[in-house]
Amino acid sequence: DIQMTQSPSTLSASVGDRVTITCRASQSISSWLAWYQQKPGKAPKLLIYKASSLESGVPSRFSGSGSGTEFTLTISSLQPDDFATYYCQQYNSYWGTFGQGTKVEIK
Amino acid sequence: QLQLQESGPGLVKPSETLSLTCTVSGGSISSSSYYWGWIRQPPGKGLEWIGSIYYSGSTYYNPSLKSRVTISVDTSKNQFSLKLSSVTAADTAVYYCARGEPRTHWGQGTLVTVSS
Repeated sequence: DIQMTQSPSTLSASVGDRVTITCRASQSISSWLAWYQQKPGKAPKLLIYKASSLESGVPSRFSGSGSGTEFTLTISSLQPDDFATYYCQQYNSYWGTFGQGTKVEIK
Repeated sequence: QLQLQESGPGLVKPSETLSLTCTVSGGSISSSSYYWGWIRQPPGKGLEWIGSIYYSGSTYYNPSLKSRVTISVDTSKNQFSLKLSSVTAADTAVYYCARGEPRTHWGQGTLVTVSS
């Protein structure tokens, strides 16, 4: 099984901050990695696919990078709407695996 | 605009089978080469990938749930379904249906509680 580990689990930041979340895979997944944003009571929303491709309609302040086993999601300038929980997901194998999530809180 | 909607009982007794249906509107479930699948989220916890069915009928399941899970498609109704057998309290969660891998379109989710 491919395990996905996110860090940190919680992140406190202010509006305008640059924020980086890391996701590590237990084995190489090439670039088959997605990032989602989830707000309380809502379904997750796809932000990034194939490690660095921005989903249509997602603001350009979101970016993804990495390949193999280490990946990052960066928010270049945190906005009030961005306070949420973020999950990575690998889709390299026949079944997907999510990271445990990173909650971005207001500092 | 593609929309997905989960439906099914909100309460299931322990040891019974959880059955949910996802109705797809705004697109045909059989006309495109997509995966259709299920994800769940226990209250206050993270997301768990349950399984997928490809438009061709091939299925893929989370190994930890594989012995209890069945995903099927009813193209005549533009629906796909989830069955999870022998449920326990640990299966209490919000269950989401979704399209694609990765998941580009999601239903709103439905809470299923396992309790006697």
